[in-house]
Amino acid sequence: GQSLEQPSEVTAVEGAIVQINCTYQTSGFYGLSWYQQHDGGAPTFLSYNALDGLEETGRFSSFLSRSDSYGYLLLQELQMKDSASYFCAVITGTALIFGKGTTLSVSS
Amino acid sequence: GAVVSQHPSRVICKSGTSVKIECRSLDFQATTMFWYRQFPKKSLMLMATSNEGSKATYEQGVEKDKFLINHASLTLSTLTVTSAHPEDSSFYICSARERGRAETQYFGPGTRLLVL
Repeated sequence: GQSLEQPSEVTAVEGAIVQINCTYQTSGFYGLSWYQQHDGGAPTFLSYNALDGLEETGRFSSFLSRSDSYGYLLLQELQMKDSASYFCAVITGTALIFGKGTTLSVSS
Repeated sequence: GAVVSQHPSRVICKSGTSVKIECRSLDFQATTMFWYRQFPKKSLMLMATSNEGSKATYEQGVEKDKFLINHASLTLSTLTVTSAHPEDSSFYICSARERGRAETQYFGPGTRLLVL
């Protein structure tokens, strides 16, 4: 079977740093992506890791360890607008398989 | 950036009718398009993968006769929910992938279907 595990909820305050972990078990792996989805909206692409290591894009960074089947999304200098659901997704070669999502709530 | 549109954005229909949802890539050629279904507060569930000019590949548990997918061109895929029932009410999202860009999928804004 294919499975991706990530925490269901995370809460933090403005200005803080949050790390959302994702472990995966899939048949086929080309890379790990992260998507953000606000209530009622479509997912938007945040980052992609195909190789081990850290990718940084502004306030967001994503990390991958293929040997551990593990990755994380790091959000820095949190803002209220970062309150959303965050999904990790594995690219299996033919499709994206999504995790169940992590709801991030940022308070002032 | 790449833009994917979906139409309609919202539809309410009577039980037993069929509903067609269109997904278009506006500024790139989408060799592969994907259809997802999402329940409130839940993850995106892949329903099927469609490649231009060929039959769609359905995920296990998805009825191909219920959810008809056509990928007629490099910029258009359609999902038809046939003989819709209330349990088909959901948020349907399409995504498109550019040729040679396997790592990035661009999502449409989604279609909210309510079957009465």
